[in-house]
Amino acid sequence: GESVGLHLPTLSVQEGDNSIINCAYSNSASDYFIWYKQESGKGPQFIIDIRSNMDKRQGQRVTVLLNKTVKHLSLQIAATQPGDSAVYFCAETSGNNDMRFGAGTRLTVKP
Amino acid sequence: DVKVTQSSRYLVKRTGEKVFLECVQDMDHENMFWYRQDPGLGLRLIYFSYDVKMKEKGDIPEGYSVSREKKERFSLILESASTNQTSMYLCASSFSAAGYTQYFGPGTRLTVL
Repeated sequence: GESVGLHLPTLSVQEGDNSIINCAYSNSASDYFIWYKQESGKGPQFIIDIRSNMDKRQGQRVTVLLNKTVKHLSLQIAATQPGDSAVYFCAETSGNNDMRFGAGTRLTVKP
Repeated sequence: DVKVTQSSRYLVKRTGEKVFLECVQDMDHENMFWYRQDPGLGLRLIYFSYDVKMKEKGDIPEGYSVSREKKERFSLILESASTNQTSMYLCASSFSAAGYTQYFGPGTRLTVL
């Protein structure tokens, strides 16, 4: 999800549903991708990463999908919980400390 | 577990004051970074350091300087704070090899009056 002006894209889901958050990247040379979760007033927290030689990686309740053809990354959260409410943003790098961050998507979980 | 700590969670300063933001990491990471985060603009890199006493400008270094005298500590300095430097400041660290995750501190919310 990319920012639109000053407003973050927002995704609202019901507790227990699955969430899908999307991210487009522009650098075809990027070979390492990360998803971060940022709760209000806190620093970004690493969730999951994926390298460009993979198209899918699973963690606990989270899955990251990478489509290099269309330069698209997604984060899937299974059985979304109220504690998952946060801003999620992707990051990409081709090395050399040039990590680039998306502006994020705000996930709201309704009980 | 990686731990990155920042000296203050909240800071209020007056225009013209010199401000020091401290960051410490305990994972022996070579790289350390300072970002600022503003609504709608995402994370913007101010400075980074890949070794002790080494520093590189990021995308928005103007009005800032940094110091890295020890491997675990990276300081951000605002020589003369201005109101447009009111922001959330985030420190991060990582191993030096390409493709390693940056781990973030909790952030310092700085308000310049």
